[in-house]
Formats: sequence, structure tokens, C-alpha cells
Amino acid sequence: EIVLTQSPGTLSLSPGERATLSCRASQSMSSSFLAWYQQKPGQAPRLLIYGASSRATGIPDRFSGSGSGTDFSLTISRLEPEDFAVYYCQQYGSSLTFGGGTKVEIK
Amino acid sequence: EVQLVESGGGLVQPGGSLRLSCAASGFTFSTYWMSWVRQAPGKGLEWVANIKQDGSEKYYVDSVKGRFTISRDNAKNSLYLQMNSLRAEDTAVYYCARGRSRSGWFLGAFDIWGQGTMVTVSS
Repeated sequence: EIVLTQSPGTLSLSPGERATLSCRASQSMSSSFLAWYQQKPGQAPRLLIYGASSRATGIPDRFSGSGSGTDFSLTISRLEPEDFAVYYCQQYGSSLTFGGGTKVEIK
Repeated sequence: EVQLVESGGGLVQPGGSLRLSCAASGFTFSTYWMSWVRQAPGKGLEWVANIKQDGSEKYYVDSVKGRFTISRDNAKNSLYLQMNSLRAEDTAVYYCARGRSRSGWFLGAFDIWGQGTMVTVSS
């Protein structure tokens, strides 16, 4: 089973700033099966990125994903007020697992 | 509108059983892998189970193997999760999720989620 470690646990930023979230896999994996989700309090997760770098339907282009092997990242180019939330990475290669999440909070 | 609506959650005693349902609408249910994902209070997401389009393949996280059973009825556009021998650690919001799928393959991400149903295991 691949373990995903997300860092940092919490990111404190201001609207308009750039956010970079990290997701590290315990072993090399196919980027085809790396996804990112956003979750706001009391809501279901929403798919942002699949295949490490492809935006899901309706996702603004300020969200971008990159990476390969064991190191992946999600970048939000300019934080909007609605982007403050918890973000999870997820893999499907060796079983199916989620990372522990990164909370992006308003500084 | 593409939609998933879960039902069946509630309070159950340890060792008890519960059956969750998920009603799908707005898409061709029979052409998608479907899954259950749970989230314990204040915790992260945990995948629980997957089922192939025709029900011929089912996969589970180790912690629920032998206790939970995923199933589907394509004629009713419905997904189910039968949960037996429930434990306190099964307490969570359970989400029904649609897997991105192509030609019978699960592509690894969940593109549609329900609003979730709460399961509480406590005496």
C-alpha cells in the first residue's frame, strides 16, 4: 500500500497569495492515478485535479497540479476567498489511499 | 443534473448492522465504477470499497473485509453498502462516489460525490 504524506499540515496565507501544497508518496507511482480534492466544512469533497495535472470539469485555471514519481504538488496561483479549505491528495495504484490533508487558512 | 443521494445512516450499537443506499441520477449509472468513502469526525478521508460496472469485481479496505459488502442494482440506479459487526471505529460520514471510468476500467479518481450519510456506532 502506498502511503501519501501531505505537507504542510496547515498553510496560513492571505487572499491573492500563491499556495503550494505537497504530496509525497512512500514509493514511486504512476502520475496517471494521482488526484487532488478540495473539501469545505460540512461539504463533500470536490475533484480538482486527476492524472496529477489535468483539471476536472469546471475547475478554474488558478488550480494546477504537477509532479511525478514520489513527489506531487498542487498550486493555487492566487488565492480567492472561496479557496480556503482542506485539500487532499489521493492515489490509486497500490490499493487506494488518501493523504492526511492540508488546511489552507486565512492569515 | 448529475446527483448521488445517500440514505440509511443512523445510530447503531456495536456489533449491529446497517445498510446504506445511494441513489444515482443524471448519468448512465451502469457504465461507472462506484465507491464508498468515509470520513470519521474531524478526520481525513478513507476509501472503503469499490465495485465494477457489472458488479463482477469488488474491492475493500482491509479494515472492513469480511464485515462490509458493496453491491449495486443497475436497474434501480442504486449502490449499497451492507455493514455488519459494526465497531466504534466505523463511526463516520459515508460518501457515495462515482469513479472516473472508461471501457470498464477505473481511472482512479472520484468525480461526483453525494452529500454523505452519518453512521454512529455507540452503545
